[in-house]
Amino acid sequence: EDQVTQSPEALRLQEGESSSLNCSYTVSGLRGLFWYRQDPGKGPEFLFTLYSAGEEKEKERLKATLTKKESFLHITAPKPEDSATYLCAVQAGNTPLVFGKGTRLSVIA
Amino acid sequence: ETGVTQTPRHLVMGMTNKKSLKCEQHLGHNAMYWYKQSAKKPLELMFVYSLEERVENNSVPSRFSPECPNSSHLFLHLHTLQPEDSALYLCASSPRSSGNTGELFFGEGSRLTVL
Repeated sequence: EDQVTQSPEALRLQEGESSSLNCSYTVSGLRGLFWYRQDPGKGPEFLFTLYSAGEEKEKERLKATLTKKESFLHITAPKPEDSATYLCAVQAGNTPLVFGKGTRLSVIA
Repeated sequence: ETGVTQTPRHLVMGMTNKKSLKCEQHLGHNAMYWYKQSAKKPLELMFVYSLEERVENNSVPSRFSPECPNSSHLFLHLHTLQPEDSALYLCASSPRSSGNTGELFFGEGSRLTVL
C-alpha cells in the first residue's frame, strides 16, 4: 500500500529562519511526487512536480528536492506570507494521488 | 481565482436533509474530482470523472451521489448524512484523468456541517 508521511506536523519559524519540511514515501513505481500549498479556508494550490531522484525545483523562497525515499521542501529566509499548510502527494503508475497529512508552517515576524 | 468555483461555501444540514454541492471549472479541463478533507487526516479521494464518465469510486457510502452532466460541471448530492460526514469537500480539475497527471486545480471548498 502506498504511504506518505510528512514531518513535522507543525513548524514555527521566525522570519528569516530557514528550515526544511520532510515527506517520506513508500510507493511501487513512483510516477511523480507533488507539493501543494494550502491557505486556511482555501483549496490546495499546486507548487511542484518531481519525477526522479536527484531532481530539484525552485520557486521564490521554496526549493523541492527528491531522493528514492523522501522529498524535502526547503524554505529559505521565510516571510510571514509563507505561512500555510504544505501537502505532499505521490502518484504510482496509473493511480490517483496519495496525500500526506501536511505540515502546518507558521512564520512569525 | 483558480478557475474552479464551488458553491455553497458553507452548508449546515440535518441528518434527514437532502442538499447538493456544485462545482464549475472554467479551465477547459476534461477530468474532475471530489475530495474530502477532515481534520488530522489526509485528503481522501471520493470520485473521479474523466470526459464525463466516472472512472474512480473509492468505496464511498451511497449517501453521497455524484453527477457530472458535462465536462465543466460536477455535483455531489447529499442525503441522510451522518455527523462524521462533516468536513471540507473539495472539487478539483485537471487537463487529463488522474492516471496521467498529479497537477490538480482545486476550488476553495464547501464546508459541510451535519447536525
